[in-house]
Amino acid sequence: DTEVTQTPKHLVMGMTNKKSLKCEQHMGHRAMYWYKQKAKKPPELMFVYSYEKLSINESVPSRFSPECPNSSLLNLHLHALQPEDSALYLCASSSRGGNTEAFFGQGTRLTVV
Amino acid sequence: AQSVTQLGSHVSVSEGALVLLRCNYSSSVPPYLFWYVQYPNQGLQLLLKYTSAATLVKGINGFEAEFKKSETSFHLTKPSAHMSDAAEYFCAVSDRAGNQFYFGTGTSLTVIP
Repeated sequence: DTEVTQTPKHLVMGMTNKKSLKCEQHMGHRAMYWYKQKAKKPPELMFVYSYEKLSINESVPSRFSPECPNSSLLNLHLHALQPEDSALYLCASSSRGGNTEAFFGQGTRLTVV
Repeated sequence: AQSVTQLGSHVSVSEGALVLLRCNYSSSVPPYLFWYVQYPNQGLQLLLKYTSAATLVKGINGFEAEFKKSETSFHLTKPSAHMSDAAEYFCAVSDRAGNQFYFGTGTSLTVIP
């Protein structure tokens, strides 16, 4: 199984809503990532979890709150988002070590209204 | 710091023609380099990776890339373009620990019938 599964695929939320994005992998990877991607742009790193601990937070606003309940799951909790937060949110995982690739999920297309 | 630069944000080729997508890296140590492809509204899929085992790397879908240290380049090629190759292509480099993947700005490939 080389898949990273993200749910939901599409999400529309109001600025006062609370929602969560979910990501799951069963490859035994100990590094998991959240990326944000705007149209026609490369993915921007948001968070990195290494061995279920937050290791990198790229100065992301607090309205985005990551959580790693176990080595297979990664969540991104959303609250009080702005329309400019509308984007494709990608989850990825990789083995530790620089010579290993990141495996990406299909993404969640988020629209904030 | 690691980084990659992709020259040409848009490339158009005729079906059956050579595909050449350019990527140059900046790294003070031997890098780990990757090429990813992204189809509309999907996640990123690994095409190939360079991990210093061989300078000519073969990937999926007939793509290959050659690592040239003297030119600090890792250009992606395919001898004969197919309509299904139309997509966004990202070059990426990882840090030595695999904590982060740094993406180039991407090249949009159009294949003309």
